[in-house]
Amino acid sequence: GENVGLHLPTLSVQEGDNSIINCAYSNSASDYFIWYKQESGKGPQFIIDIRSNMDKRQGQRVTVLLNKTVKHLSLQIAATQPGDSAVYFCAEMGDSGGYQKVTFGIGTKLQVIP
Amino acid sequence: NAGVTQTPKFRILKIGQSMTLQCAQDMNHNYMYWYRQDPGMGLKLIYYSVGAGITDKGEVPNGYNVSRSTTEDFPLRLELAAPSQTSVYFCASSLGGGQPQHFGDGTRLSIL
Repeated sequence: GENVGLHLPTLSVQEGDNSIINCAYSNSASDYFIWYKQESGKGPQFIIDIRSNMDKRQGQRVTVLLNKTVKHLSLQIAATQPGDSAVYFCAEMGDSGGYQKVTFGIGTKLQVIP
Repeated sequence: NAGVTQTPKFRILKIGQSMTLQCAQDMNHNYMYWYRQDPGMGLKLIYYSVGAGITDKGEVPNGYNVSRSTTEDFPLRLELAAPSQTSVYFCASSLGGGQPQHFGDGTRLSIL
């Protein structure tokens, strides 16, 4: 079935180091992928997205990599800061009978150690 | 812009009571969505709407109803609250189907 999952439920990173959060997806028809950040008590916040015709996209301190061959998505955060502590989850989107169905992953908790 | 606004932020209901979760967006987005988020699980789609007057069921619609009389508002109705509906509910909106969704800060609902 369609499933979006994450390899690591919790990731601890030293402040200043780079963080890599991974996501596996199973629907090869998905053509749009989004990373969200969710802080405690808040709603998910859009970080960065990538469409299936690309394999890399960069934002401010963040990079998303897409490997369609192995159906893998990753989020890289450069120079991780305490404010980056949150739950990060990926979402995949693809056409499902005329509707762009979105499937969300469970999330990875990123803990930044000062 | 306030973005997506949800009210109330917290609510405790007794079994069998009813309530409406409010959601409003000021971004003139056509698409709106209701999700529930349970511990250890990804967001699950309850209902969605692609425009005023149009609503469709998502993955977990049982026990809920929605309406979309205006572009801005998308209320979610619980008619007979059950303990299984204890969850955090998120409303979201997007400009179109293949666009990122913008979320509110959620309503934390407990059914006792």
